[in-house]
Amino acid sequence: EVQLLESGGGLVQPGGSLRLSCAASGFTFSSYAISWIRQAPVKGLEWVSAISGSGGDTYYADSVKGRFTISRDNSKNTLYLQMNSLRAEDTAVYYCAKGNSIFGVDTEYYFDSWGQGILVTVSS
Amino acid sequence: QSALTQPPSVSGSPGQSVTISCTGTSSDIGFYNGVSWYQQPPGTAPKLMIYEVNHRPSGVPDRFSGSKSGYTASLTISGLQAEDEADYYCSSYTSSSGSTPYVFGTGTKVTVL
Repeated sequence: EVQLLESGGGLVQPGGSLRLSCAASGFTFSSYAISWIRQAPVKGLEWVSAISGSGGDTYYADSVKGRFTISRDNSKNTLYLQMNSLRAEDTAVYYCAKGNSIFGVDTEYYFDSWGQGILVTVSS
Repeated sequence: QSALTQPPSVSGSPGQSVTISCTGTSSDIGFYNGVSWYQQPPGTAPKLMIYEVNHRPSGVPDRFSGSKSGYTASLTISGLQAEDEADYYCSSYTSSSGSTPYVFGTGTKVTVL
């Protein structure tokens, strides 16, 4: 059974930094791209970032490009999201989601397993 | 990138059918078959219900079906059950300007009367 477990969320001041982790199990981690997807309070879903199975290719939404960095450690089956220069509008529940392909971007890509989510609150 | 357009809410009685629309553009739904649908009951994570327009993952009841015509994708729930009450989101690959490759719909709340 695929399991994804996020950690590292919490309260941070505007301009601050936070690193999220996503521990994976139940599948061959290095064979699949993983994404971060967020959901602001009482709002819809927003794709944030993706990384290929090898970790060699990364992709970002325009809203976080230059501030967030996605990475993975395939020896630890763990995904990361380093978030810098945080803003109030980054407040959301952040989900890690496994994709159906080793590639982070694909025209027929979908998110077949999701973690339970972790709350990040940016406020002074 | 603008979100795909969904109706805010739909409702139906147990046993009835409801259909949720998801309207995009020629840069996403209109050109690609990478349309997927997700179910999100209150307080839980999204769950994949349909992928590649009309394919159901193992374990998803066959009362859930998907289709696409032009710029609009649709999710139909036949034989509505109380457990189907949730928010539903569509998603698609997009080639519109900018670096974001995936776009989600605005979300639809399904209420079972």
